[in-house]
Amino acid sequence: KAGVTQTPRYLIKTRGQQVTLSCSPISGHRSVSWYQQTPGQGLQFLFEYFSETQRNKGNFPGRFSGRQFSNSRSEMNVSTLELGDSALYLCASMGDDLSEQYFGPGTRLTVT
Amino acid sequence: DQQVKQNSPSLSVQEGRISILNCDYTNSMFDYFLWYKKYPAEGPTFLISISSIKDKNEDGRFTVFLNKSAKHLSLHIVPSQPGDSAVYFCAASGVSNYQLIWGAGTKLIIKP
Repeated sequence: KAGVTQTPRYLIKTRGQQVTLSCSPISGHRSVSWYQQTPGQGLQFLFEYFSETQRNKGNFPGRFSGRQFSNSRSEMNVSTLELGDSALYLCASMGDDLSEQYFGPGTRLTVT
Repeated sequence: DQQVKQNSPSLSVQEGRISILNCDYTNSMFDYFLWYKKYPAEGPTFLISISSIKDKNEDGRFTVFLNKSAKHLSLHIVPSQPGDSAVYFCAASGVSNYQLIWGAGTKLIIKP
């Protein structure tokens, strides 16, 4: 079956703009999590959606938001971009438990 | 406040020898631990996990050891192969939620 897909793969934005990233999970998975990875840092948890509801949320400012659609596809939005938002944004879909968490290739966001 | 720490940013090991990657955690509520492997330009892939009721879990060349009293876990790879060269992340979770807390990663280099 198809893996997790993320679009776009690369994005360049300027400070103050907003951006929307998309994630399509593995067919049948209802949970989608979003992570931010910056150089030298582990993955920082943003939020997790399950059946269109946000189930868990990390410690990120309100500029970071997300949603999930009825087909389990998810989007995350970052408003008023800052230079520090430059990172790799990873999406993961999960089956029955955490060991069944599969990651997409990520979206590399550069804010100039 | 880093709850999961991987203190070695990189590790170089001769092909065929044992690779030992270490991870420390501070939160005694963590009771499920996972190791992920990440190649450049790809998302992390699940490697092996261990729950707090065990002190060892094996899967082929990979073994994870958990020392709860020391809040320490380690991943052993025997024998190390060139394809094992990647960044390895340790992650932790409480069973009651689906949020992973990640270490910063260790870059493993297997020398021929």
